[in-house]
Amino acid sequence: AQSVTQLDSHVSVSEGTPVLLRCNYSSSYSPSLFWYVQHPNKGLQLLLKYTSAATLVKGINGFEAEFKKSETSFHLTKPSAHMSDAAEYFCVVSERGYSTLTFGKGTMLLVSP
Amino acid sequence: NAGVTQTPKFRILKIGQSMTLQCAQDMNHNYMYWYRQDPGMGLKLIYYSVGAGITDKGEVPNGYNVSRSTTEDFPLRLELAAPSQTSVYFCASSPAGTSVTYEQYFGPGTRLTVT
Repeated sequence: AQSVTQLDSHVSVSEGTPVLLRCNYSSSYSPSLFWYVQHPNKGLQLLLKYTSAATLVKGINGFEAEFKKSETSFHLTKPSAHMSDAAEYFCVVSERGYSTLTFGKGTMLLVSP
Repeated sequence: NAGVTQTPKFRILKIGQSMTLQCAQDMNHNYMYWYRQDPGMGLKLIYYSVGAGITDKGEVPNGYNVSRSTTEDFPLRLELAAPSQTSVYFCASSPAGTSVTYEQYFGPGTRLTVT
């Protein structure tokens, strides 16, 4: 069985400071991992994905995530937050090759000027 | 490509009414999905389909029905609407994969209120 835990429901940062959104996963086999972003009243957009290639994955808008098997983590980072990054972020896991995804409960990122 | 489209964007239903949420994709994806999103709960899978004529239950299927007669369309039917079905509904699609799990592409959502 697969599951994902997003460790913070809300994260607040100032514009220009680093962003860290934490995600731990549980998976019986080799997982595929994703981060999605949802801006207010919008659908979900893929930020990045890990599917067993390089453990450091780069995504859109300067975000990146590192797959750490020993820690069962897939934390999302960005060196410098921008106001437009304010949104809800979802960590998602799937057993590789499975057709369904399991979503975390989401982390709301608040960015202040 | 329009991607994944959903209609309507908003709907208010009275308790006991029925309705169909429409979903279509023009990417020739085999897999399609219906989710509901409630505040603080992430997305929960209602039903999914791996191809025309094939559907399966997700985590929260009660009160819903689906059909998949074409690759493009995947409507979600609500019978006897209840206040617990007040939610935002998202449709998604993805290419088929065996050794790889592909990302899903999401529609803009339908906000449903049952009163």
